[in-house]
Amino acid sequence: GQNIDQPTEMTATEGAIVQINCTYQTSGFNGLFWYQQHAGEAPTFLSYNVLDGLEEKGRFSSFLSRSKGYSYLLLKELQMKDSASYLCAVSDSNYQLIWGAGTKLIIKP
Amino acid sequence: DAGVIQSPRHEVTEMGQEVTLRCKPISGHNSLFWYRQTMMRGLELLIYFNNNVPIDDSGMPEDRFSAKMPNASFSTLKIQPSEPRDSAVYFCASSLALAGISGANVLTFGAGSRLTVL
Repeated sequence: GQNIDQPTEMTATEGAIVQINCTYQTSGFNGLFWYQQHAGEAPTFLSYNVLDGLEEKGRFSSFLSRSKGYSYLLLKELQMKDSASYLCAVSDSNYQLIWGAGTKLIIKP
Repeated sequence: DAGVIQSPRHEVTEMGQEVTLRCKPISGHNSLFWYRQTMMRGLELLIYFNNNVPIDDSGMPEDRFSAKMPNASFSTLKIQPSEPRDSAVYFCASSLALAGISGANVLTFGAGSRLTVL
């Protein structure tokens, strides 16, 4: 079957760095997405990786290793507004998105 | 662009009643998706359309659920009759799916319709 695993919840301190991991087992691979979802709001697109390596976008970076079925989202200089759920999703061989359950990130002052 | 527009934002109804959720995708997008989100099951794809044609409705829970897309700018998700277990947030999302372009099909979500069935 197809499976996306990510931690349920993480806590970090304002100003610090946090890494949210995602491992996947899917039938085929056409890219991995990270979405951010604030409580009571819709998911919004953060990043897309299809090749191995690190993609940097401001305070956020996303890494992919296809051979390991592994990705992480790195958030630097954490701000209180980064408190949200972070969803990992993989595009499978049919270009269908398989979603993880999301990681709830709690930022403490 | 105003983004993906959903209505109603909140709906409270009684078991057995019909519920209709509406969605206006982003102009120019050719794919539309209906998702359901609950704490227990996360995001679940119910159905998606490409160029107004339903492509995959395998996620539709049962015959009580139906979806239509009569034109490129409007879609509905209908539940009849509704049951308490249908209580969830229903998201509509749209994207521009480009043939031959691998995977980078970024979804833009609407604000969601929070449904409570009593």
